Amino acid sequence: DAKTTQPNSMESNEEEPVHLPCNHSTISGTDYIHWYRQLPSQGPEYVIHGLTSNVNNRMASLAIAEDRKSSTLILHRATLRDAAVYYCRGGTSYGKLTFGQGTILTVHP
Amino acid sequence: GAGVSQTPSNKVTEKGKYVELRCDPISGHTALYWYRQSLGQGPEFLIYFQGTGAADDSGLPNDRFFAVRPEGSVSTLKIQRTERGDSAVYLCASSLRGERTDTQYFGPGTRLTVL
Repeated sequence: DAKTTQPNSMESNEEEPVHLPCNHSTISGTDYIHWYRQLPSQGPEYVIHGLTSNVNNRMASLAIAEDRKSSTLILHRATLRDAAVYYCRGGTSYGKLTFGQGTILTVHP
Repeated sequence: GAGVSQTPSNKVTEKGKYVELRCDPISGHTALYWYRQSLGQGPEFLIYFQGTGAADDSGLPNDRFFAVRPEGSVSTLKIQRTERGDSAVYLCASSLRGERTDTQYFGPGTRLTVL
Protein backbone atom coordinates (compact mmCIF):
# COMPACT_ATOMS: atom_id res chain seq x y z
CA ASP A 1 0.00 0.00 0.00
CA ALA A 2 1.11 3.53 -0.68
CA LYS A 3 2.35 5.45 2.34
CA THR A 4 0.48 8.72 2.69
CA THR A 5 1.36 11.95 4.45
CA GLN A 6 -1.22 14.54 5.43
CA PRO A 7 -1.12 17.60 7.67
CA ASN A 8 -2.46 16.85 11.14
CA SER A 9 -4.97 19.69 11.06
CA MET A 10 -6.31 22.54 8.96
CA GLU A 11 -8.77 25.34 9.58
CA SER A 12 -11.17 27.16 7.33
CA ASN A 13 -13.97 29.67 7.52
CA GLU A 14 -17.46 28.83 6.42
CA GLU A 15 -18.21 29.48 2.73
CA GLU A 16 -14.51 29.56 1.84
CA PRO A 17 -12.71 26.96 -0.28
CA VAL A 18 -10.53 24.38 1.42
CA HIS A 19 -7.59 22.57 -0.14
CA LEU A 20 -6.53 19.42 1.70
CA PRO A 21 -3.19 18.05 0.52
CA CYS A 22 -1.92 14.49 0.54
CA ASN A 23 1.48 13.11 -0.42
CA HIS A 24 1.60 9.51 -1.65
CA SER A 25 5.06 9.29 -3.12
CA THR A 26 5.18 5.46 -3.14
CA ILE A 27 1.93 4.99 -5.00
CA SER A 28 2.04 2.45 -7.83
CA GLY A 29 0.86 3.17 -11.34
CA THR A 30 -2.38 1.25 -10.92
CA ASP A 31 -3.36 2.38 -7.43
CA TYR A 32 -6.42 4.54 -7.17
CA ILE A 33 -6.35 7.52 -4.81
CA HIS A 34 -9.27 7.44 -2.41
CA TRP A 35 -10.52 10.08 -0.02
CA TYR A 36 -12.81 9.34 2.88
CA ARG A 37 -13.95 11.51 5.75
CA GLN A 38 -15.14 10.71 9.21
CA LEU A 39 -17.55 12.89 11.12
CA PRO A 40 -17.52 12.70 14.91
CA SER A 41 -18.94 9.42 16.26
CA GLN A 42 -19.60 8.04 12.78
CA GLY A 43 -17.95 5.57 10.46
CA PRO A 44 -15.91 6.90 7.54
CA GLU A 45 -17.79 7.95 4.43
CA TYR A 46 -16.59 7.99 0.85
CA VAL A 47 -15.77 11.37 -0.64
CA ILE A 48 -14.08 10.81 -3.99
CA HIS A 49 -11.52 8.72 -5.84
CA GLY A 50 -9.41 9.01 -8.97
CA LEU A 51 -6.54 7.50 -10.93
CA THR A 52 -4.88 10.13 -13.12
CA SER A 53 -7.35 12.76 -14.17
CA ASN A 54 -8.92 15.37 -11.96
CA VAL A 55 -12.33 14.32 -10.72
CA ASN A 56 -15.42 16.19 -9.64
CA ASN A 57 -18.53 15.08 -7.82
CA ARG A 58 -21.25 16.73 -5.81
CA MET A 59 -19.17 16.66 -2.65
CA ALA A 60 -15.74 17.75 -3.78
CA SER A 61 -13.06 17.90 -6.46
CA LEU A 62 -9.87 15.87 -6.58
CA ALA A 63 -6.80 17.33 -8.21
CA ILE A 64 -4.09 14.75 -8.93
CA ALA A 65 -0.53 15.81 -9.66
CA GLU A 66 0.86 14.77 -13.02
CA ASP A 67 3.42 12.47 -11.35
CA ARG A 68 0.65 11.11 -9.07
CA LYS A 69 2.82 11.56 -6.01
CA SER A 70 0.38 13.99 -4.47
CA SER A 71 -3.24 14.99 -4.64
CA THR A 72 -5.48 17.71 -3.25
CA LEU A 73 -9.04 17.40 -2.11
CA ILE A 74 -10.94 20.60 -2.77
CA LEU A 75 -14.08 21.58 -0.91
CA HIS A 76 -15.35 24.54 -2.89
CA ARG A 77 -17.40 26.15 -0.13
CA ALA A 78 -16.83 24.74 3.31
CA THR A 79 -19.80 24.36 5.62
CA LEU A 80 -19.92 23.53 9.30
CA ARG A 81 -21.01 20.01 8.32
CA ASP A 82 -17.70 19.51 6.53
CA ALA A 83 -15.83 19.53 9.84
CA ALA A 84 -14.37 16.04 9.99
CA VAL A 85 -11.20 13.99 9.73
CA TYR A 86 -10.20 13.56 6.09
CA TYR A 87 -8.20 10.50 5.01
CA CYS A 88 -6.45 9.85 1.73
CA ARG A 89 -4.81 6.64 0.54
CA GLY A 90 -3.80 4.60 -2.43
CA GLY A 91 -5.98 1.50 -2.89
CA THR A 92 -4.91 -2.07 -3.52
CA SER A 93 -6.33 -4.26 -6.21
CA TYR A 94 -9.28 -5.36 -4.14
CA GLY A 95 -10.00 -2.12 -2.37
CA LYS A 96 -8.41 -2.81 0.99
CA LEU A 97 -8.11 0.55 2.71
CA THR A 98 -5.29 1.48 5.02
CA PHE A 99 -5.83 4.77 6.76
CA GLY A 100 -3.23 7.11 8.21
CA GLN A 101 -4.05 9.60 10.91
CA GLY A 102 -5.78 11.96 8.48
CA THR A 103 -6.31 15.72 8.60
CA ILE A 104 -8.65 17.20 11.17
CA LEU A 105 -10.58 19.97 9.42
CA THR A 106 -12.09 22.68 11.60
CA VAL A 107 -14.60 25.02 10.00
CA HIS A 108 -15.28 28.33 11.71
CA PRO A 109 -18.64 30.07 11.34
CA GLY B 1 -32.07 1.67 1.21
CA ALA B 2 -30.61 0.37 4.43
CA GLY B 3 -26.95 0.97 5.05
CA VAL B 4 -24.46 -1.15 6.94
CA SER B 5 -25.64 -1.90 10.45
CA GLN B 6 -23.64 -3.12 13.41
CA THR B 7 -24.75 -4.54 16.71
CA PRO B 8 -24.37 -3.87 19.51
CA SER B 9 -23.51 -0.20 19.33
CA ASN B 10 -21.70 -0.46 22.65
CA LYS B 11 -20.28 -3.46 24.44
CA VAL B 12 -18.66 -3.44 27.87
CA THR B 13 -16.99 -6.63 28.99
CA GLU B 14 -14.48 -7.83 31.51
CA LYS B 15 -10.95 -8.90 30.78
CA GLY B 16 -10.82 -12.54 29.76
CA LYS B 17 -14.38 -12.74 28.46
CA TYR B 18 -15.52 -13.71 24.96
CA VAL B 19 -17.37 -11.23 22.74
CA GLU B 20 -19.12 -11.32 19.38
CA LEU B 21 -19.70 -8.30 17.20
CA ARG B 22 -22.17 -8.47 14.34
CA CYS B 23 -22.22 -6.74 10.96
CA ASP B 24 -25.11 -6.61 8.49
CA PRO B 25 -23.77 -5.38 5.14
CA ILE B 26 -25.73 -3.71 2.38
CA SER B 27 -27.81 -6.31 0.57
CA GLY B 28 -26.05 -7.65 -2.51
CA HIS B 29 -22.56 -6.55 -1.50
CA THR B 30 -20.13 -9.42 -1.89
CA ALA B 31 -17.19 -7.75 -0.15
CA LEU B 32 -17.10 -7.15 3.58
CA TYR B 33 -14.35 -5.60 5.66
CA TRP B 34 -13.61 -5.28 9.38
CA TYR B 35 -11.53 -2.43 10.78
CA ARG B 36 -10.51 -1.38 14.28
CA GLN B 37 -10.12 2.23 15.33
CA SER B 38 -8.39 3.37 18.47
CA LEU B 39 -8.89 6.84 19.87
CA GLY B 40 -7.21 9.49 17.73
CA GLN B 41 -6.11 7.01 15.08
CA GLY B 42 -7.36 6.11 11.63
CA PRO B 43 -9.15 2.80 11.09
CA GLU B 44 -6.86 -0.22 10.98
CA PHE B 45 -7.67 -3.05 8.57
CA LEU B 46 -8.41 -6.43 10.15
CA ILE B 47 -9.95 -8.80 7.61
CA TYR B 48 -11.64 -8.85 4.21
CA PHE B 49 -14.28 -11.31 2.98
CA GLN B 50 -15.18 -12.00 -0.61
CA GLY B 51 -18.41 -13.94 -0.35
CA THR B 52 -18.10 -16.52 2.39
CA GLY B 53 -14.34 -16.78 2.37
CA ALA B 54 -11.75 -14.66 4.12
CA ALA B 55 -9.64 -13.37 1.25
CA ASP B 56 -7.22 -11.47 3.47
CA ASP B 57 -6.93 -11.82 7.24
CA SER B 58 -3.49 -10.28 7.48
CA GLY B 59 -4.71 -7.53 9.81
CA LEU B 60 -5.99 -9.77 12.59
CA PRO B 61 -3.61 -9.05 15.50
CA ASN B 62 -3.45 -12.57 16.91
CA ASP B 63 -5.31 -15.86 17.16
CA ARG B 64 -7.76 -14.50 19.71
CA PHE B 65 -9.49 -12.74 16.85
CA PHE B 66 -11.62 -14.65 14.38
CA ALA B 67 -14.34 -13.67 11.91
CA VAL B 68 -16.90 -15.62 9.93
CA ARG B 69 -19.38 -14.95 7.17
CA PRO B 70 -21.06 -18.32 6.70
CA GLU B 71 -23.72 -17.34 4.16
CA GLY B 72 -21.93 -14.51 2.44
CA SER B 73 -23.99 -11.82 4.08
CA VAL B 74 -23.90 -11.21 7.85
CA SER B 75 -20.49 -11.39 9.47
CA THR B 76 -19.47 -11.91 13.07
CA LEU B 77 -16.17 -10.82 14.57
CA LYS B 78 -15.26 -12.97 17.54
CA ILE B 79 -12.73 -12.05 20.20
CA GLN B 80 -11.64 -14.61 22.78
CA ARG B 81 -10.02 -13.88 26.14
CA THR B 82 -10.43 -10.14 25.70
CA GLU B 83 -7.71 -7.83 26.90
CA ARG B 84 -7.85 -4.16 27.86
CA GLY B 85 -5.87 -3.35 24.72
CA ASP B 86 -8.74 -4.66 22.61
CA SER B 87 -10.82 -1.64 23.61
CA ALA B 88 -11.61 0.28 20.43
CA VAL B 89 -14.35 1.01 17.93
CA TYR B 90 -14.80 -1.91 15.56
CA LEU B 91 -15.99 -0.81 12.14
CA CYS B 92 -17.51 -2.90 9.40
CA ALA B 93 -17.75 -1.89 5.75
CA SER B 94 -19.12 -3.48 2.61
CA SER B 95 -18.70 -2.87 -1.09
CA LEU B 96 -20.37 -4.23 -4.18
CA ARG B 97 -17.56 -6.41 -5.54
CA GLY B 98 -14.44 -5.54 -3.56
CA GLU B 99 -12.77 -3.98 -6.58
CA ARG B 100 -10.31 -1.14 -6.18
CA THR B 101 -12.73 1.43 -7.55
CA ASP B 102 -15.60 0.33 -5.33
CA THR B 103 -16.95 2.68 -2.71
CA GLN B 104 -16.82 1.19 0.76
CA TYR B 105 -19.83 1.89 2.93
CA PHE B 106 -19.14 1.89 6.63
CA GLY B 107 -21.37 1.11 9.54
CA PRO B 108 -21.50 3.26 12.69
CA GLY B 109 -19.23 0.87 14.55
CA THR B 110 -19.34 -1.05 17.81
CA ARG B 111 -17.53 0.55 20.72
CA LEU B 112 -15.90 -2.21 22.75
CA THR B 113 -14.68 -1.46 26.25
CA VAL B 114 -12.74 -4.11 28.12
CA LEU B 115 -12.52 -3.43 31.84
